[in-house]
Amino acid sequence: ETGVTQSPTHLIKTRGQQVTLRCSSQSGHNTVSWYQQALGQGPQFIFQYYREEENGRGNFPPRFSGLQFPNYSSELNVNALELDDSALYLCASSFRGGANTGELFFGEGSRLTVL
Amino acid sequence: AQRVTQPEKLLSVFKGAPVELKCNYSYSGSPELFWYVQYSRQRLQLLLRHISRESIKGFTADLNKGETSFHLKKPFAQEEDSAMYYCALINQAGTALIFGKGTTLSVSS
Repeated sequence: ETGVTQSPTHLIKTRGQQVTLRCSSQSGHNTVSWYQQALGQGPQFIFQYYREEENGRGNFPPRFSGLQFPNYSSELNVNALELDDSALYLCASSFRGGANTGELFFGEGSRLTVL
Repeated sequence: AQRVTQPEKLLSVFKGAPVELKCNYSYSGSPELFWYVQYSRQRLQLLLRHISRESIKGFTADLNKGETSFHLKKPFAQEEDSAMYYCALINQAGTALIFGKGTTLSVSS
């Protein structure tokens, strides 16, 4: 069973730039969620994708966008980067429709630093 | 408002001592609550959920609707329990987990 993998693990960008983070879901999972974790905080929900469509969104501006592909992998795109976007970005996959609602399988995260 | 509060940033105990990690929540209706754990250099993972009413690695958590709490307990702490613990609940839409800020548990010998 292949776990959730994310890339890149670390990256540095400057304010105003754009970034794309990638995630491969765990085998057998059909739903992917993205979370932002700032230093000293718990993960904060950005959005969820199911069947290649956004299925829920947290309190994040439209410059945060995503994609889910037919193989259930996903991308998180952030435009016009701001200093406050510096954080660990976590991808989590799950199986929607099963009994284990709320059981998310997390990747190790992509640490973004915006200078 | 849906919210999870973990009042302690750090909890330090000695090996063999009882542990209680506090979690309070705000939610309209019947919440679904979880504890997630992150050990050093490992990814965040599910520890237990209140629906299962199970004990995992000696940890239990009981949902107290009157006190809106879901504290995590273990009678005898082990050094390998040292980790970051997050309490979480599912949002009303069922699409996301709302996490608390986490509590670092440090168990020393």
